[in-house]
Amino acid sequence: TQLLEQSPQFLSIQEGENLTVYCNSSSVFSSLQWYRQEPGEGPVLLVTVVTGGEVKKLKRLTFQFGDARKDSSLHITAAQPGDTGLYLCAASYGGSQGNLIFGKGTKLSVKP
Amino acid sequence: NAGVTQTPKFQVLKTGQSMTLQCAQDMNHEYMSWYRQDPGMGLRLIHYSVGAGITDQGEVPNGYNVSRSTTEDFPLRLLSAAPSQTSVYFCASSYSRLSGNTIYFGEGSWLTVV
Repeated sequence: TQLLEQSPQFLSIQEGENLTVYCNSSSVFSSLQWYRQEPGEGPVLLVTVVTGGEVKKLKRLTFQFGDARKDSSLHITAAQPGDTGLYLCAASYGGSQGNLIFGKGTKLSVKP
Repeated sequence: NAGVTQTPKFQVLKTGQSMTLQCAQDMNHEYMSWYRQDPGMGLRLIHYSVGAGITDQGEVPNGYNVSRSTTEDFPLRLLSAAPSQTSVYFCASSYSRLSGNTIYFGEGSWLTVV
């Protein structure tokens, strides 16, 4: 059984600070996705990474895939209150969407 | 562009009652799935379908049934509701059954079983 660990579980910071969220797996995954979920809504995809060592940027968000494809990180620079939400990583261990496993999420609160 | 539509948004059931959560997508997606989200547990896959007439179990299928008679619809049936099924349910779809493709989620259905 694959395990996907996300940390920290909760994060409360001031506007302008930087933060990093981590996602670690017990097994090699074929791809990893990061989602963001706001209260009362479903998760929305931010990015998909598939290659070891891959780095993707989305405005102030930087996503990195570990070389061994067992870990990933999400770094937010100069966080804003609009970044508040639940961040979820989801890893695929096979070729099917049915093999997708979600982490438990990181609840981020950015205070003005 | 409706995307993934779930109904109802909120529902309260008594233990032992049955009900169906409806899900429809208008994107002609091959893959559809149901997740439940509980505090501290993340999203867990209940059932999924890779096309009309094809369904399979996910991580937590017990107490739930699904069917996929059309590409658009993927209802989730609770046969005899239990308090442990109190949760937020999300329907999701994807263009492809292959991993790495974007999954689109509905807005969720809040279910309370008393």
